[in-house]
Amino acid sequence: EVQLVESGGGLVQPGGSLRLSCDASGLIRGYTMNWVRQAPGKGLEWISYISSGSSSIHYADSVKGRFTISRDNAKNSLFLQMNSLRVDDTAVYYCASSVLALVTRFDYWGQGTMVTVSS
Amino acid sequence: DIQMTQSPLSLSASVGDRVTITCRASQSIKNYLSWYQQKPGKAPKLLIYAASSLQSGIPSRFSAAGAGTDFTLTINSLQPEDFATYYCQQSIIFPRTFGQGTNLEIK
Repeated sequence: EVQLVESGGGLVQPGGSLRLSCDASGLIRGYTMNWVRQAPGKGLEWISYISSGSSSIHYADSVKGRFTISRDNAKNSLFLQMNSLRVDDTAVYYCASSVLALVTRFDYWGQGTMVTVSS
Repeated sequence: DIQMTQSPLSLSASVGDRVTITCRASQSIKNYLSWYQQKPGKAPKLLIYAASSLQSGIPSRFSAAGAGTDFTLTINSLQPEDFATYYCQQSIIFPRTFGQGTNLEIK
């Protein structure tokens, strides 16, 4: 079983940057990875995906061009570089892993890290 | 993008009740559908994948069905720990999309 721990959240001004990390206790080499966020009092929003070997990457339109997902399998880590942050990026950010399967799902989730964008 | 529409958005029930939550996709997603449970301040937890497969460790009072565009999640004999918010999510194409969530409250 994979255990995920996010870090790097905090308070940032609009237009600023943050880099989130997600550290896994087990090997994530064979897993695809995702970032999902949840604005205060709102539902879940998927924002980014990266394949096990980083060859395939996808973003939600809401973050495309501003956020960059990456991973370091040797360090069992996932990252999200967030630039040009906006007030509406305020949310709890979760990393979620998916085992390789025909029908993918988010099998494991971290506890989340809070990002607040405010002046 | 595929829109996922859940109903109802809010549901009140009592311990021991049976409840059903519906999720409708804006186009066919075959069986690429998962259900998650989320409690306040906690991360979501996977309950069901591939529309009807129970995730390991999830009690058998949870069941799900459906294919194509219409799906259901049923909880038999509600337990106190089942009061939470439930989300459906499609994984057939990007962007992955979630339903709005169904808040299951104690009556």
